[in-house]
Amino acid sequence: DTGVSQNPRHKITKRGQNVTFRCDPISEHNRLYWYRQTLGQGPEFLTYFQNEAQLEKSRLLSDRFSAERPKGSFSTLEIQRTEQGDSAMYLCASSPMGVISNQPQHFGDGTRLSIL
Amino acid sequence: AQSVTQLGSHVSVSEGALVLLRCNYSSSVPPYLFWYVQYPNQGLQLLLKYTTGATLVKGINGFEAEFKKSETSFHLTKPSAHMSDAAEYFCAVTSGSARQLTFGSGTQLTVLP
Repeated sequence: DTGVSQNPRHKITKRGQNVTFRCDPISEHNRLYWYRQTLGQGPEFLTYFQNEAQLEKSRLLSDRFSAERPKGSFSTLEIQRTEQGDSAMYLCASSPMGVISNQPQHFGDGTRLSIL
Repeated sequence: AQSVTQLGSHVSVSEGALVLLRCNYSSSVPPYLFWYVQYPNQGLQLLLKYTTGATLVKGINGFEAEFKKSETSFHLTKPSAHMSDAAEYFCAVTSGSARQLTFGSGTQLTVLP
């Protein structure tokens, strides 16, 4: 169990640029979640994958955001035309299939995005 | 819709003193409740969870929490604080068809020598 891996750990970019983050979940974890955490707040849910299918999207996920999990393993989160308000920590979590109450989510260390 | 309220954004205790972090939830269905800890520039680590069964739940690092349905509370306690407990603590409840986590706004715990 190598844990959830997220890359890059930090990303600094200019407003208007596109950015892409990667998440490698724990192997054989079918469920994958993306959250966003702003300073001084708890994480907020963005989207959920079960295997390669994106089954749930939050209203926070504007049209500029897109997430994929093409082969049901790693996932990417892309933000197009970044804005100042996108500055946050983006967290990925995964959990195995099974009775969901017994399968807590395991979090990566996140990608911190700073928009100049 | 589910929601979580954490009373006290900052809590300070002396080393060796009791730690009490408060969490109240709102849920239209029987809740699954969690406490996570976050150290600076890191992700969240699960401390403990309540799903069903025993209402007093023991977690890692000496922490425990008690689910009180009548009070809609899930407060986190530790009998004796250690310097290494200084971190931010989040209470969360599962919600939605994806059972995503809904988090409180967090409590920053400071442990004084």
